[in-house]
Amino acid sequence: NAGVMQNPRHLVRRRGQEARLRCSPMKGHSHVYWYRQLPEEGLKFMVYLQKENIIDESGMPKERFSAEFPKEGPSILRIQQVVRGDSAAYFCASSPPTGAWGNIQYFGAGTRLSVL
Amino acid sequence: SQQGEEDPQALSIQEGENATMNCSYKTSINNLQWYRQNSGRGLVHLILIRSNEREKHSGRLRVTLDTSKKSSSLLITASRAADTASYFCATGPPGGGADGLTFGKGTHLIIQP
Repeated sequence: NAGVMQNPRHLVRRRGQEARLRCSPMKGHSHVYWYRQLPEEGLKFMVYLQKENIIDESGMPKERFSAEFPKEGPSILRIQQVVRGDSAAYFCASSPPTGAWGNIQYFGAGTRLSVL
Repeated sequence: SQQGEEDPQALSIQEGENATMNCSYKTSINNLQWYRQNSGRGLVHLILIRSNEREKHSGRLRVTLDTSKKSSSLLITASRAADTASYFCATGPPGGGADGLTFGKGTHLIIQP
């Protein structure tokens, strides 16, 4: 059972370009989360999705950022017109349907975005 | 929103010693989790402690939770070089269920051989 797969591992973009980050959750997991991590910082929650639905996007900037988790295929985090401040590591996590005591999340290795 | 804060920010000990890290948070929680992150890698889940539990063990790990003080500690006994990593506490939403976790800034642990 493969873990959470993210690609690419490293992504370099020039200012103004678009960045697309992909995440395939673990088999059987229906919940996907995206986090952003700046150097020497903890992870900051961005968005929580289930298949074809955005459940909570409270941590995602209102402009330029969007996320989807289609019925078929991986979840995509899309950043339009990237700026230098978008440079960070972006992590995806997945979890199975949760129980009453919360969910353990399984993380991918991350995508490191560098904006030149 | 609730926020975990780890203490200390960095900790360096000799192999074989015990390492203790602390975490404080601000609002009521349903559970608290600890994760480990090796340099340049994703996070690995270590242990989850529920709000009605006071202590939990997993191998060389011992976690305590004091909801009256809104704090938790992670103890790693008989440390090994492979334990060198950053350790994060994370809290889930008060009502339980699925949602994004709130992470602290982490404790960077270095085990000296």
